[in-house]
Amino acid sequence: EPEVTQTPSHQVTQMGQEVILRCVPISNHLYFYWYRQILGQKVEFLVSFYNNEISEKSEIFDDQFSVERPDGSNFTLKIRSTKLEDSAMYFCASSSQGWQAFFGQGTRLTVV
Amino acid sequence: ELKVEQNPLFLSMQEGKNYTIYCNYSTTSDRLYWYRQDPGKSLESLFVLLSNGAVKQEGRLMASLDTKARLSTLHITAAVHDLSATYFCAVTNTGNQFYFGTGTSLTVIP
Repeated sequence: EPEVTQTPSHQVTQMGQEVILRCVPISNHLYFYWYRQILGQKVEFLVSFYNNEISEKSEIFDDQFSVERPDGSNFTLKIRSTKLEDSAMYFCASSSQGWQAFFGQGTRLTVV
Repeated sequence: ELKVEQNPLFLSMQEGKNYTIYCNYSTTSDRLYWYRQDPGKSLESLFVLLSNGAVKQEGRLMASLDTKARLSTLHITAAVHDLSATYFCAVTNTGNQFYFGTGTSLTVIP
């Protein structure tokens, strides 16, 4: 069964460093999303991406964040100058028609 | 912003018992989703409800949707330990952005 895959599964980084989280969406899906979940809290929307551009973003998704689809298959989330409060589980999701998103297993980001 | 609220936030129930989790949302949405999350794991899609009155069942879980009341329920029948997890409902807006509820942490006690 096709699935969304994310790498790495766990990333530890020092405060102020840049991190890139990677996602391989399900083939032929057109809609891509990044969500984050701070430990013990609900899942929060960050950004959606369609037709090679951002279609919607939340207030959380400020200039510190950026997304790219560098090679037509991968979908990346870059976090510049990480802060302690960026520590969370980051989920990538994809969907074929904009509904029923399939989520990856997540990347646990720990900023120290 | 579309708000999604679930209750209860925490639910501890004995095996064999029935219970219902409620999901309310603030604005019109034609799609409602239920996801399951095990600790440290990703979100597993359980149900997608697309229309008013929709009811779906899978094993001991049954989900329903009332779009007029902006309410969905997830009913658990004869709970078993394997159902212990956190359950999230989510709705989408016109931009297909998912808004998740606060989650209900379910613990089934033997």
